[in-house]
Amino acid sequence: KAGVTQTPRYLIKTRGQQVTLSCSPISGHRSVSWYQQTPGQGLQFLFEYFSETQRNKGNFPGRFSGRQFSNSRSEMNVSTLELGDSALYLCASSAEWTGEKLFFGSGTQLSVL
Amino acid sequence: AQKVTQAQTEISVVEKEDVTLDCVYETRDTTYYLFWYKQPPSGELVFLIRRNSFDEQNEISGRYSWNFQKSTSSFNFTITASQVVDSAVYFCALSAHSGGYQKVTFGTGTKLQVIP
Repeated sequence: KAGVTQTPRYLIKTRGQQVTLSCSPISGHRSVSWYQQTPGQGLQFLFEYFSETQRNKGNFPGRFSGRQFSNSRSEMNVSTLELGDSALYLCASSAEWTGEKLFFGSGTQLSVL
Repeated sequence: AQKVTQAQTEISVVEKEDVTLDCVYETRDTTYYLFWYKQPPSGELVFLIRRNSFDEQNEISGRYSWNFQKSTSSFNFTITASQVVDSAVYFCALSAHSGGYQKVTFGTGTKLQVIP
């Protein structure tokens, strides 16, 4: 079984731009969640999608949004990038819910200049 | 509210030493799940273990062992006879109901360096 795939692996953007990150979960997994990882902050939960619906959301501004498609693939979008958005963005999938074991992708390293 | 505290930011040990990574959690739920994940330099978190709140039995898997104590809200992880390949960032996580939803909260991680 293929693992969780995140694209692109690296991104460099400038302030004010927007960015879209992609995540393909493990086949058959319906729950996809996104995390922001920064040094010293650990993993901060962004949101979770299940069957194309946002099921849970963390404490991030509205500039952070996401969606999930019928094939469970998910995208997250950050608009009007700020320097503080520089981080590793990790996607995780699980079969049904986040009380199960999570399978993580390698992440997208976003640098905002 | 739920919270996970990993007080040890960085630990360095010499190869073959034993090392314990501490994890303390807070939740009001009576049913919850605790996890440990390993993040090697490649960046991808790898699942190590999942325990539910009703199972306090300690677990051993090879050189890894976990001690779950509800009385102290702790879920500590011990690596016996550490190896260089154990060098990574280790995250403790808690999954519990918060605001009507199942939510996962991660600790800030402990960076383990094993020196040859």
